[in-house]
Amino acid sequence: AQKITQTQPGMFVQEKEAVTLDCTYDTSDPSYGLFWYKQPSSGEMIFLIYQGSYDQQNATEGRYSLNFQKARKSANLVISASQLGDSAMYFCAILYSFNKFYFGSGTKLNVKP
Amino acid sequence: GAGVSQSPSNKVTEKGKDVELRCDPISGHTALYWYRQSLGQGLEFLIYFQGNSAPDKSGLPSDRFSAERTGGSVSTLTIQRTQQEDSAVYLCASSLGPRGGRYEQYFGPGTRLTVT
Repeated sequence: AQKITQTQPGMFVQEKEAVTLDCTYDTSDPSYGLFWYKQPSSGEMIFLIYQGSYDQQNATEGRYSLNFQKARKSANLVISASQLGDSAMYFCAILYSFNKFYFGSGTKLNVKP
Repeated sequence: GAGVSQSPSNKVTEKGKDVELRCDPISGHTALYWYRQSLGQGLEFLIYFQGNSAPDKSGLPSDRFSAERTGGSVSTLTIQRTQQEDSAVYLCASSLGPRGGRYEQYFGPGTRLTVT
């Protein structure tokens, strides 16, 4: 069974500091994709970053980077220079077989001024 | 450009009534997903459409739930004989799918369903 785990229900970070949100996954498929989404209090899911299982380099998108450690089956999200607007729920998701998406339970990030 | 739209944004219904939730995906997106999110929880996969292929209904929780997608575009999720445990936010997402080579999903704002 495919599984995706986020072990941090809540995190605090000081504004302007970096924060790492953990995500581990379990799949036997050799080909899969990993995603991070942000869900502010408004409720809409916002795509942040994608990492393919065969990608050699870690994905980066602006202040977001994905620390992909394939052997450890982890795909942690790193947010640099946190901003107050980063306060939200963050979901890690895995895609396999081109259409099966599974989402983790989420991490609530609070950025303190 | 227009994103994924859903209607209604809020729906309050009495237990036992049927409801229909609508999703308009991004134009050109062949893949469409429905999810359910209960308060403070993650997303629960319900159903997946890809082009003209038979939908993947493996996530539908009961036979009271059904969905269709007309003309490869607009989708309707129907819940018959609603129960209180159906109360949740129903999210729709679309993506380019396998042919587009881009799998990230773009989500609509959701429909908040409350069953009284």
